Amino acid sequence: DSGVTQTPKHLITATGQRVTLRCSPRSGDLSVYWYQQSLDQGLQFLIQYYNGEERAKGNILERFSAQQFPDLHSELNLSSLELGDSALYFCASSIDFLAGRTDTQYFGPGTRLTVL
Amino acid sequence: AQSVAQPEDQVNVAEGNPLTVKCTYSVSGNPYLFWYVQYPNRGLQFLLKYITGDNLVKGSYGFEAEFNKSQTSFHLKKPSALVSDSALYFCAVRDNYGQNFVFGPGTRLSVLP
Repeated sequence: DSGVTQTPKHLITATGQRVTLRCSPRSGDLSVYWYQQSLDQGLQFLIQYYNGEERAKGNILERFSAQQFPDLHSELNLSSLELGDSALYFCASSIDFLAGRTDTQYFGPGTRLTVL
Repeated sequence: AQSVAQPEDQVNVAEGNPLTVKCTYSVSGNPYLFWYVQYPNRGLQFLLKYITGDNLVKGSYGFEAEFNKSQTSFHLKKPSALVSDSALYFCAVRDNYGQNFVFGPGTRLSVLP
């Protein structure tokens, strides 16, 4: 158990809908990362938040957004869902001490999103 | 932009034999390199990382990796494979600027009894 929690474990929804995925980092970790894992695209970095602020952006679509709250939990919002958004979405956290480049990321168990 | 290649989709090895999972990278400046393992229906678990110093890094579950700057490689190794090592292995790199974290496509390791 990494100490990172994600809810829900599974989510089934329809095209065009909007969903919110939630992540609670390990105690003491200030950074949260979001990843998408699909069969054809592999593991893709989406976005990173550090202590409430956006720090780095990867291959995140404009239909997707995220935020990190004062209690450090994070939410990933996916809107206007398409069939191709079906994937595993992982959250990871790290301490991000100093520059944070070397920090180990600890991954949650993931949320499996199915768009029908 | 940085990139990571794992040239083998699948590696098969007999239990008790040594295993190697290959990784090469491209990055600006000094690389920060990581290996993660993913078991079925689970999240990724950290195995080891190279930041600086000794080129041979030892990690969890008896795994080690060798950083080779001239060949831009960071191959994962284990002297004696176990059936329970069967999983999906990811190499990842972060660059000097820490702005992105890139994973390789993954290598599926099967250890045969």
